[in-house]
Amino acid sequence: SQQGEEDPQALSIQEGENATMNCSYKTSINNLQWYRQNSGRGLVHLILIRSNEREKHSGRLRVTLDTSKKSSSLLITASRAADTASYFCATDPSGGNKLVFGAGTILRVKS
Amino acid sequence: GAGVSQSPRYKVAKRGQDVALRCDPISGHVSLFWYQQALGQGPEFLTYFQNEAQLDKSGLPSDRFFAERPEGSVSTLKIQRTQQEDSAVYLCASSPHRGPADTQYFGPGTRLTVL
Repeated sequence: SQQGEEDPQALSIQEGENATMNCSYKTSINNLQWYRQNSGRGLVHLILIRSNEREKHSGRLRVTLDTSKKSSSLLITASRAADTASYFCATDPSGGNKLVFGAGTILRVKS
Repeated sequence: GAGVSQSPRYKVAKRGQDVALRCDPISGHVSLFWYQQALGQGPEFLTYFQNEAQLDKSGLPSDRFFAERPEGSVSTLKIQRTQQEDSAVYLCASSPHRGPADTQYFGPGTRLTVL
């Protein structure tokens, strides 16, 4: 069972455009992370936002967290073809020992 | 430095065979996690080790699945009497921190196909 749900399931944009992906979850969390997965590869950590934070930036990435709505968004600005990948949000439910991943958003950036 | 490595990268097994999947975490990392990723889905937690102690195995789908990390470094995930529904990518991740709450470093995965 997966706690997070990403939206949209798939997104296709032109190079240079911004991409926004959303994630919703069900239980209280310590923090929320976003990971990227290129086809046939393992996951790469992008950014972590703690439950007491509302917004965080890292390069072209901007993450927001709304704990009252149990949701997060990942914005990739000025997208590049190399950003083509699947993106997953992951939460660690309070008191647990595991990360719970959503089903992911498949992003395709066309050059 | 070296990242997390997994072997084999690909494994084809006949139904009923036993398989063993290996994970070499980043040296010195305390925490080690195993995940199962079905096609088109996100990873699902299987089990968690802190050093050599298996602190959580709540995600293991059946008693055919067994994991160990005897010296607190390399870990092996064993699946006995494989079934077709075991076909998936098995991911290993390690972390220098205790627990799941910080960045996890993932290996490339082992793609298991059960015929």
